[in-house]
Amino acid sequence: NAGVTQTPKFQVLKTGQSMTLQCAQDMNHNSMYWYRQDPGMGLRLIYYSASEGTTDKGEVPNGYNVSRLNKREFSLRLESAAPSQTSVYFCAILGRANEKLFFGSGTQLSVL
Amino acid sequence: GQQVMQIPQYQHVQEGEDFTTYCNSSTTLSNIQWYKQRPGGHPVFLIQLVKSGEVKKQKRLTFQFGEAKKNSSLHITATQTTDVGTYFCAPGSGNTGKLIFGQGTTLQVKP
Repeated sequence: NAGVTQTPKFQVLKTGQSMTLQCAQDMNHNSMYWYRQDPGMGLRLIYYSASEGTTDKGEVPNGYNVSRLNKREFSLRLESAAPSQTSVYFCAILGRANEKLFFGSGTQLSVL
Repeated sequence: GQQVMQIPQYQHVQEGEDFTTYCNSSTTLSNIQWYKQRPGGHPVFLIQLVKSGEVKKQKRLTFQFGEAKKNSSLHITATQTTDVGTYFCAPGSGNTGKLIFGQGTTLQVKP
């Protein structure tokens, strides 16, 4: 996962609290993604950004907001966390050459 | 992004047995990618298939793309404990950039 840095690695929130998951890349690629992974549900796309300043909804965007202020960073915000948002969150970037995704190491989020 | 169905969801095999996971779509795919995720890790790209009927091999792994480009498979010959993990397929996004994954097949290998 060299080139994609996610912070924090672990987080525990209480219901109703807010937080922002950070993702930064040093590969100078355009497209960035946020996925969540739950047992038995695979990887589900939350939001993605094809380029700086643009964002689009994925499969499960409700309860989340994103921000792509520059090419390097793509953040995911939970305004009012709910237990249903307990999950592992992965950020990914799309490689230029053959469209493969490079994933960050993930954020384990628990909402109590 | 296009939807795919991946089967089976789980597979337990004895070490040395073969394993196959299938990825099926109701629509024609432009290409398909495969990823592997080890327990506790993040998904890692394995391969991309683009051409109709394409077959690619990586050591004991064989990847196929159907003639109609609606299905794909990953076959592992003589599984080893290092093959343990979840295997995902992901159809190409075309021009949308929206990359959706299949549900994944989790492989357990008994030594």
